[in-house]
Amino acid sequence: QKEVEQDPGPLSVPEGAIVSLNCTYSNSAFQYFMWYRQYSRKGPELLMYTYSSGNKEDGRFTAQVDKSSKYISLFIRDSQPSDSATYLCAMSEGAGNQFYFGTGTSLTVIP
Amino acid sequence: DAGVIQSPRHEVTEMGQEVTLRCKPISGHNSLFWYRQTMMRGLELLIYFNNNVPIDDSGMPEDRFSAKMPNASFSTLKIQPSEPRDSAVYFCASSLDRGTSGRRNTGELFFGEGSRLTVL
Repeated sequence: QKEVEQDPGPLSVPEGAIVSLNCTYSNSAFQYFMWYRQYSRKGPELLMYTYSSGNKEDGRFTAQVDKSSKYISLFIRDSQPSDSATYLCAMSEGAGNQFYFGTGTSLTVIP
Repeated sequence: DAGVIQSPRHEVTEMGQEVTLRCKPISGHNSLFWYRQTMMRGLELLIYFNNNVPIDDSGMPEDRFSAKMPNASFSTLKIQPSEPRDSAVYFCASSLDRGTSGRRNTGELFFGEGSRLTVL
């Protein structure tokens, strides 16, 4: 079993839709949870960062962490064509900087 | 800041040839990571360095792969001999240790643009 599981999609939604992206994990020691966005032929860039459980909102993006269920989510409101990218979840424990990535979910927002 | 710089951006080579990928991390960062990305397996950590010292190379697929970090501003990933199954995008990333004294940072990884390798 992989440390982090993520549905690869692809996911296709109309412009303006609410998008929900999810990851599950098995390591209860993970404390730092991140979402990276990767445009085609580019490197991943950090989109959202959360420590421990709870919600974090940044504009149209909301990250949720449920440590009891070992489940994290990224919500995108009022999705735009510019949101079309691959979204990768990543996690790490408190000590050290080793990150565990999901395989990524490919999202296309159709105008 | 120029960000993480990788070269070459694209490499096409024949099976059996030696491939060297290069990375310049962000100045001041003390951790450097090499990842490989494929459609089937996603992002796989190959090796990471902290303060120029290899910490975990358990992701290096086999002895054909080697990585060095001779100083804080340069790292190489070498494949010798290369095989078609090595075809992938190789990413270098750097970070500053989370909680470094005097700085408020998340330990975020900063990725380069990647080196796309095709082995024929």
